[in-house]
Amino acid sequence: NAGVMQNPRHLVRRRGQEARLRCSPMKGHSHVYWYRQLPEEGLKFMVYLQKENIIDESGMPKERFSAEFPKEGPSILRIQQVVRGDSAAYFCASSPWRERSYEQYFGPGTRLTVT
Amino acid sequence: DAKTTQPTSMDCAEGRAANLPCNHSTISGNEYVYWYRQIHSQGPQYIIHGLKNNETNEMASLIITEDRKSSTLILPHATLRDTAVYYCIVRVVTGGFKTIFGAGTRLFVKA
Repeated sequence: NAGVMQNPRHLVRRRGQEARLRCSPMKGHSHVYWYRQLPEEGLKFMVYLQKENIIDESGMPKERFSAEFPKEGPSILRIQQVVRGDSAAYFCASSPWRERSYEQYFGPGTRLTVT
Repeated sequence: DAKTTQPTSMDCAEGRAANLPCNHSTISGNEYVYWYRQIHSQGPQYIIHGLKNNETNEMASLIITEDRKSSTLILPHATLRDTAVYYCIVRVVTGGFKTIFGAGTRLFVKA
């Protein structure tokens, strides 16, 4: 059973470009969470999604950031017009269902560098 | 979610038990104690969780005080690969689906 997959593992973007980060949850998991970790800081919750629904986006910046988890395919975290402050590691986690959400399995992360 | 307090860093000799404390004096009756760890540059890894009874699995043991205001994660025989940041988190099981990570404890296991 493959773990949570994230791609790309490393992404370099110039200021003003768009970044698209993908997350494929573990098989059978229908809940996805995105976290951001700035250099030398802890993980910060961004958004929680189920298939086709955003459940909690309280940690998402109000502008430029969006997330989706379509019926088919991976979850996508999209950052428009990236700035240097967006440089961070972005981790995705998945869980089987809400009542077992403590079983959050994390992916290896995508390291975004904005030049 | 209740706030937790952990030491910033700890050292442990290889082969010895590593005891990582966590204070959560404002924990509510329906909140569990969870532990995750993050080895350098990797995604966090779930270790163990408990409500009020002590728990043990293949990775660690969790000791929760009777008043539930503090807990200790025990790695019985620490290895160099256990060097990581350990996060103590308290949250409800249902409804509290997002995990709030604090600063954690940076554990250094030394040969």
